[in-house]
Amino acid sequence: AQSVTQLGSHVSVSEGALVLLRCNYSSSVPPYLFWYVQYPNQGLQLLLKYTTGATLVKGINGFEAEFKKSETSFHLTKPSAHMSDAAEYFCAVGTSGTYKYIFGTGTRLKVLA
Amino acid sequence: DSGVTQTPKHLITATGQRVTLRCSPRSGDLSVYWYQQSLDQGLQFLIQYYNGEERAKGNILERFSAQQFPDLHSELNLSSLELGDSALYFCASSKGLAGGLSSYNEQFFGPGTRLTVL
Repeated sequence: AQSVTQLGSHVSVSEGALVLLRCNYSSSVPPYLFWYVQYPNQGLQLLLKYTTGATLVKGINGFEAEFKKSETSFHLTKPSAHMSDAAEYFCAVGTSGTYKYIFGTGTRLKVLA
Repeated sequence: DSGVTQTPKHLITATGQRVTLRCSPRSGDLSVYWYQQSLDQGLQFLIQYYNGEERAKGNILERFSAQQFPDLHSELNLSSLELGDSALYFCASSKGLAGGLSSYNEQFFGPGTRLTVL
């Protein structure tokens, strides 16, 4: 069975600082990994995804994530935080042959002026 | 705007009642997924339909049921409602089935229906 763990339900960073949101997964088969963002009172929007190939994945709004199989991690980073990045971020795992994604519990990012 | 629409946006009802949530997927998408988001349980997958057929079930209660119609819209029926059913219910759609390699499998989320059970 697959699972996802997001470390830190709340993360605060200063504007302009590095954003690092952590995600570890568990999967017995090669996973597909996703990061979604949820702004207040909105649905989830895909930031980026890893399926196969290059392990460093670039997404929208300057975010990127690196798939590290040896560490079973898919951490989300952004070099410089903007106020508009304040939102909740969800990591999700899916595997070929299944029809659902398993989401982590989410990390709420706060950006301080 | 993801292209997925959900109605109603808000729903307030009493315990023991039954409600129906509606979802229209993006044009061309065949898969519809339902998720429940609550403070204590996070984002939980409930059920998935593909082209009218149920394809996967998650943590869906027996009091809940869903269907996907020939025009591909989907409805989630919640009955004998309890206080604990208060949550945000999301619908998502994708072209194909989740978990595959292609871009077909990206899920696009609707804005959600906020259900409050009093």
